[in-house]
Amino acid sequence: EADIYQTPRYLVIGTGKKITLECSQTMGHDKMYWYQQDPGMELHLIHYSYGVNSTEKGDLSSESTVSRIRTEHFPLTLESARPSHTSQYLCASSVPAHAGAKDTQYFGPGTRLTVL
Amino acid sequence: GENVEQHPSTLSVQEGDSAVIKCTYSDSASNYFPWYKQELGKGPQLIIDIRSNVGEKKDQRIAVTLNKTAKHFSLHITETQPEDSAVYFCAASWFGADGLTFGKGTHLIIQP
Repeated sequence: EADIYQTPRYLVIGTGKKITLECSQTMGHDKMYWYQQDPGMELHLIHYSYGVNSTEKGDLSSESTVSRIRTEHFPLTLESARPSHTSQYLCASSVPAHAGAKDTQYFGPGTRLTVL
Repeated sequence: GENVEQHPSTLSVQEGDSAVIKCTYSDSASNYFPWYKQELGKGPQLIIDIRSNVGEKKDQRIAVTLNKTAKHFSLHITETQPEDSAVYFCAASWFGADGLTFGKGTHLIIQP
């Protein structure tokens, strides 16, 4: 069982609200990721980080922002939520790939966000 | 960049039968191929993985095969059980990549 946590698990909010989805891991992994998962179940990478003070945009454009002030913590923020942001958000972490190491990602349980 | 195709998108099998899910990848530099299982309401969990220096790997009822020449790899589940019902994702990566590239997922349904 991977030690990666997401809160809240479920969130229903109104349009225009600012929200922060929390993700933390206790495995000491440098790399962390945020995915958006659509109803068809496809995983879309929206943000990732190589380590503290590193943030990168993923393949899918997102209006959310992320920060990485501590190794174990990688929160995702939406400044003004809209119904189009309704989705499942998954956080993951991994050891950076290097010779001989696997790039295995460990996922949290996800946050189901509904914006009314 | 890497592109991973996964088939079928939905697979229904009778309990006790075998299930096979296939993936192809485009980047010949890819050398790590994990498979994830996602149950309803949970995040994906790693179930088996294979490196490019191995052609086949087995773990009880689950096996993965890799054909590097053809750039495809497959997940085999034998003696399927109701608890095998889930969405399965294949993925690929290579040393130096930003991360894994995932297939679009296969919804496996085990019929009683």
